[in-house]
Amino acid sequence: GENVEQHPSTLSVQEGDSAVIKCTYSDSASNYFPWYKQELGKGPQLIIDIRSNVGEKKDQRIAVTLNKTAKHFSLHITETQPEDSAVYFCAAVSGGTSYGKLTFGQGTILTVHP
Amino acid sequence: KAGVTQTPRYLIKTRGQQVTLSCSPISGHRSVSWYQQTPGQGLQFLFEYFSETQRNKGNFPGRFSGRQFSNSRSEMNVSTLELGDSALYLCASSLEPRTDTQYFGPGTRLTVL
Repeated sequence: GENVEQHPSTLSVQEGDSAVIKCTYSDSASNYFPWYKQELGKGPQLIIDIRSNVGEKKDQRIAVTLNKTAKHFSLHITETQPEDSAVYFCAAVSGGTSYGKLTFGQGTILTVHP
Repeated sequence: KAGVTQTPRYLIKTRGQQVTLSCSPISGHRSVSWYQQTPGQGLQFLFEYFSETQRNKGNFPGRFSGRQFSNSRSEMNVSTLELGDSALYLCASSLEPRTDTQYFGPGTRLTVL
């Protein structure tokens, strides 16, 4: 089945800096890659997603890039703010009969220092 | 539009008991998935339901089961609870199984003593 590796496990940046989180996946049939942000005591919140027919997607300070050949995708957050501090998860969905099954990375604890 | 709701938010049970967790999807969403989140194993897929049918199942023992009702609401049940079942159980809904975009509820925190 699908396996998703996420790095780094922790990331500490100063307010205003950029943050980059990287994920690799194993199943070349995977075709959908969402990113979730989880704050303490809450469920994961979808922040951005990308499909396999697109190489890059941007939403204000957040962008995601996808390299299908290398089977990796990355989350980029620019001009970080203290409220960006949270745990971030990448995930992948394989095609075919993988109904509703998100395979998650291990998570990255992002801390933005004021 | 209201988000995914889960009840109860917190539960404390003892080993050997059983528990039922409930999930109401976003209005109009017909697919519901369940995940278990633990510090050691991270987020792991349990199962997914669409049109009252289980469409996919993760690698969990048969003690974990679920169902979906005609109004798309879903329940999951864990029988003969073990200490290792202590976790945050998350429900996610999507319009259809193949639309992929899943929205999560706040979760039910289960503690097994």
